[in-house]
Amino acid sequence: QVQLQQWGARLLKPSETLSLTCAVYGGSFSGYYWSWIRQTPGRGLEWIGKINHRGYTDYNPSLKSRITMSLDTSENQFSLKVTSVTAADTAVYYCARDHTGFGELTNWGQGTLVAVSS
Amino acid sequence: QSVLTQPPSASGTPGQRVSISCSGSSSNIGFNYVYWYQQVPGTAPKLLIYRDDQRTSGVPDRFSASKSGTSASLAISGLRSEDEADYFCASWDDSLTGLMVFGGGTKLTVL
Repeated sequence: QVQLQQWGARLLKPSETLSLTCAVYGGSFSGYYWSWIRQTPGRGLEWIGKINHRGYTDYNPSLKSRITMSLDTSENQFSLKVTSVTAADTAVYYCARDHTGFGELTNWGQGTLVAVSS
Repeated sequence: QSVLTQPPSASGTPGQRVSISCSGSSSNIGFNYVYWYQQVPGTAPKLLIYRDDQRTSGVPDRFSASKSGTSASLAISGLRSEDEADYFCASWDDSLTGLMVFGGGTKLTVL
């Protein structure tokens, strides 16, 4: 059974960089896409982007200028960085495995609440 | 404002059948699969239905889904108290460079 465990800084100041990492346990890293999604009460679920085991990335156009996704295949981990955060980036961030690369999110991390506040 | 449109709430009594709609466009639901996610508050979403109408392993057959044109729906029959949760539809959107889009979610209350 594939499990995803995520971690990262939970409290940031405006203009800082959000950094989260997700580790994949119990399954193959290759052959799938690995996604980040965030959720807020006001904006609901928002897809941030995806990366595959070869490092190919696809980002939400509305966030593209501030996002970087990367992976460490030796550790079965993938990461998200969002630069120049504002209060609007306050959300619960989830990592997930996308079975097809087009939204079939079969496994999710536990979620990380990231708050941006001065 | 979500790309896919869902009613914000739905309700039913135990044993009833409820349906949740999801409306999109030709750039998403019209040409791509629909997925349904169930989320109990405080937990991560869980994939319930994939590729329009396929139940994920372990999902009871009380849950069913369908798609027609640019709309989709999720139906839950024999409603149970444990079905009380938020339900989200999702699809891939081919506009611009492509991205995954979600509905705003429907809060299902079992009365």
